[in-house]
Order: sequence, then structure tokens, then C-alpha cells
Amino acid sequence: DAKTTQPPSMDCAEGRAANLPCNHSTISGNEYVYWYRQIHSQGPQYIIHGLKNNETNEMASLIITEDRKSSTLILPHATLRDTAVYYCIVSSSGGYQKVTFGTGTKLQVIP
Amino acid sequence: GAVVSQHPSWVICKSGTSVKIECRSLDFQATTMFWYRQFPKQSLMLMATSNEGSKATYEQGVEKDKFLINHASLTLSTLTVTSAHPEDSSFYICSARVTEGSYHNEQFFGPGTRLTVL
Repeated sequence: DAKTTQPPSMDCAEGRAANLPCNHSTISGNEYVYWYRQIHSQGPQYIIHGLKNNETNEMASLIITEDRKSSTLILPHATLRDTAVYYCIVSSSGGYQKVTFGTGTKLQVIP
Repeated sequence: GAVVSQHPSWVICKSGTSVKIECRSLDFQATTMFWYRQFPKQSLMLMATSNEGSKATYEQGVEKDKFLINHASLTLSTLTVTSAHPEDSSFYICSARVTEGSYHNEQFFGPGTRLTVL
């Protein structure tokens, strides 16, 4: 799996958009970008994923650059409950494909 | 989303005893599950890939005789920490990637099991 690089920490004011960047310059053509988050002392939670096109769901939006070497996860209106560690992962498809985690970005939402 | 459960949520045991942790997929079948370990303030570390009906695949540095994995059915994988010692104290998390229905290999995680070895 391709390696990802994320800033170790970020702050965001409550109610503002949180934009979390991720670099994955070695991503290959069949690899998807997945985002997960982990709230303290809980199992990680799936947020969103994409291949080429931008994606949006009820939790977030995912913007992938045209060359696919980087992406941005957008939480449109951050709340205090969004405080968590966010992990960007690239992985090929297939239920048997293992997923390894990097260090992620610690997002702190400030009142 | 798909639901993965773990039992127990926390366990305290004496050094030298064995502890079994269960991971269940509640509303889907999982031919493959994954076991992770997480130490305080660190990221998740993949320990092994659990395959239904066959032997688990362990990551480098993980002792297969220490961490026994059994995946006897399409909805249940177990991790047994044998002869546990204080350094095995950690947060153990299982997961499965869902390939059926409208899912596209999203990975769903259990809530984790906090193991404390005294």
C-alpha cells in the first residue's frame, strides 16, 4: 500500500469547516483513498472513500486532486464531537487487502 | 454502516493467564478479519489477518504462538493472548472489510478491548 503523510495536529473553531490534508504521492492506479477517525478509546470509524472523483456523504466531503497525489477531507461545520484522530489511508480493493495505519492528524475542535 | 462487535470490552487478568477476545460481524459475513493493537498515544498496529477456515497471516514481529487466532465461522474470529504479561497490556481492535451489498470494501471496526495484565 502507498504511504501517506498527514500533519500531526490541527485546530479548528467550532462551527467552521475543518480541512484535513493528506499527501499520497506514490498512490497507484487501483488504490482508493479512505478516511477514518478514532475518538479517544474507541474503535476507528469509517468516514468516506474515493478513487478519482470528489465524494460527499452525510459526514464529510473528500476532494482528490486530479493527479491523485493528495486529498483533503472536509468537515463542513465542525463540532466538539469531531475532535478525534483522523487517518488517511490508501489501499487497493478486495476484502482481503490489509490496511495499515499511519500516525494520522489529531484534530482539536475549539469552542 | 456494518456492525462489528467485540467481547469483552475490557479485561483485567493476572500475569501468566490466557485471555480470549471475540470479534463478531453482526450483519454481514466476513471471510477476512484483521486484528490490531494500539498502545497509548500511538497509532493502530496491524498484528494479523484472520482468514475463515485457514491459518492466520501474522505481521513481522508478531508471535503466532503468543497470539492465537481462530476464524471458525464467517461471523466470528477470536484472538487468544496466551501467557499474558504486563507488556501485553494494550487496546486490541478487530475489523473487517465489507464487500457485499452496497459496500465497497469499507473497513468497519469493533469498539476495542482494553486488556490490562497485572
